[in-house]
Amino acid sequence: NAGVTQTPKFRVLKTGQSMTLLCAQDMNHEYMYWYRQDPGMGLRLIHYSVGEGTTAKGEVPDGYNVSRLKKQNFLLGLESAAPSQTSVYFCASSYTGTGGKVAFFGQGTRLTVV
Amino acid sequence: KNEVEQSPQNLTAQEGEFITINCSYSVGISALHWLQQHPGGGIVSLFMLSSGKKKHGRLIATINIQEKHSSLHITASHPRDSAVYICAVSLTGNQFYFGTGTSLTVIP
Repeated sequence: NAGVTQTPKFRVLKTGQSMTLLCAQDMNHEYMYWYRQDPGMGLRLIHYSVGEGTTAKGEVPDGYNVSRLKKQNFLLGLESAAPSQTSVYFCASSYTGTGGKVAFFGQGTRLTVV
Repeated sequence: KNEVEQSPQNLTAQEGEFITINCSYSVGISALHWLQQHPGGGIVSLFMLSSGKKKHGRLIATINIQEKHSSLHITASHPRDSAVYICAVSLTGNQFYFGTGTSLTVIP
């Protein structure tokens, strides 16, 4: 199993450009999440999905859109990139085990907006 | 207001030392997670616990639900343990809350 795979791993964008980050999981998990990680701050939730065709806003959703057309894929879009969106982005998926929710993370996407 | 607080933020240790990283949280949780992130790398789950203690190799995680506190211990630390260790909690809803991480450097 590949687990959670993010593409691309690195990207440099110019201000105003758009891009889509792809997250794919092969574990049949219902829940998927997009987080951003910035220095000195914990992972912050951008958007999440509790199942195919559903999405919801997290803590920092402004400037991002998401789609979950297929259960295994969760896409994060930046319509008009801004320097404030320079960050490392992590996708995660989770399932609920006997002890609670178990999360699996991707390798991260390092995005720089210049 | 951060639901999850970790200490210390940075930690440098000599190889072989016993290391403790602490985590306190302020919300009711269903489970607490310890995660590891190597420089430039992805995030890996080390432990998930809702009570008591778990051990995996040289790593030990404990949790005190009444005090809302958890510790991650590393015995006989090694340079390959150098990483950022993140404490996270999962609630009964859909979300996780994360601490800001503890950056550990183990010097040979």
